[in-house]
Amino acid sequence: DAGITQSPRHKVTETGTPVTLRCHQTENHRYMYWYRQDPGHGLRLIHYSYGVKDTDKGEVSDGYSVSRSKTEDFLLTLESATSSQTSVYFCAIRKGASGGDYGYTFGSGTRLTVV
Amino acid sequence: SQELEQSPQSLIVQEGKNLTINCTSSKTLYGLYWYKQKYGEGLIFLMMLQKGGEEKSHEKITAKLDEKKQQSSLHITASQPSHAGIYLCGADIGNYGQNFVFGPGTRLSVLP
Repeated sequence: DAGITQSPRHKVTETGTPVTLRCHQTENHRYMYWYRQDPGHGLRLIHYSYGVKDTDKGEVSDGYSVSRSKTEDFLLTLESATSSQTSVYFCAIRKGASGGDYGYTFGSGTRLTVV
Repeated sequence: SQELEQSPQSLIVQEGKNLTINCTSSKTLYGLYWYKQKYGEGLIFLMMLQKGGEEKSHEKITAKLDEKKQQSSLHITASQPSHAGIYLCGADIGNYGQNFVFGPGTRLSVLP
C-alpha cells in the first residue's frame, strides 16, 4: 500500500534467537517508524528514523535495535527474541515534513510469534 | 498510550444506522488521524484533521476536530457491513512524530 512493504509477513522463532524485520519504501520519505500492536496496549512506537543513519527511541525500545543505511529500508532487529516480543509489528512512513495534509501510511504488518 | 481515549470501546449497530466514535485528548493535537483496521491487516488511512473546527468527509464517513483541537468525532452515516473493523485515532502531540500516539481503538460490528 502506497509504496511500503514489510517482510516477512509472518514469522515464528525460538526464544533467544535474533530476528530482523524489514520495512521497504519506494517513495523516498524521510521519516520511518516501527510500532508494535498488542491487545490492551494498542499501537506503541518502538523506534523511528528521521533520515539515513538517524534514528531515535520510542516508547518501548528495550530489546530492539534499528538501522537505516538507505533511505528506502528501515530494519528492526530483536537481538535475542523473548516471548514478550510476540506481537504484530507495523512499519509506517510519514509523507512530508511540515504543514499540509502529510499523513502517515502503514505497512500491512508482520506477525511475529516467539516460542 | 492513555494520552488518547476513544469511546465507545466497541459498538454493534444494525445496517443502515448512523454511529459516532469519539477520540479525546488532554493535550492539544497537532494533527489528528483516523485509521481503519480489519483483523490481521494493516491500517488504512481515512483522513487527517489539523485545524480547529475542521471537518472532512469521505464517502459516508465524516470526521470533525473541535475548536480546541482536543477532541475529534468520526461519524458514519447509513452504516454497511463493509464499515466493520477497528477504528483508531492517532495524533501528533509533539514534533517530528516521536510523540505520535494512538487511541486504544473502537471495534465496530455492523449486523446485516
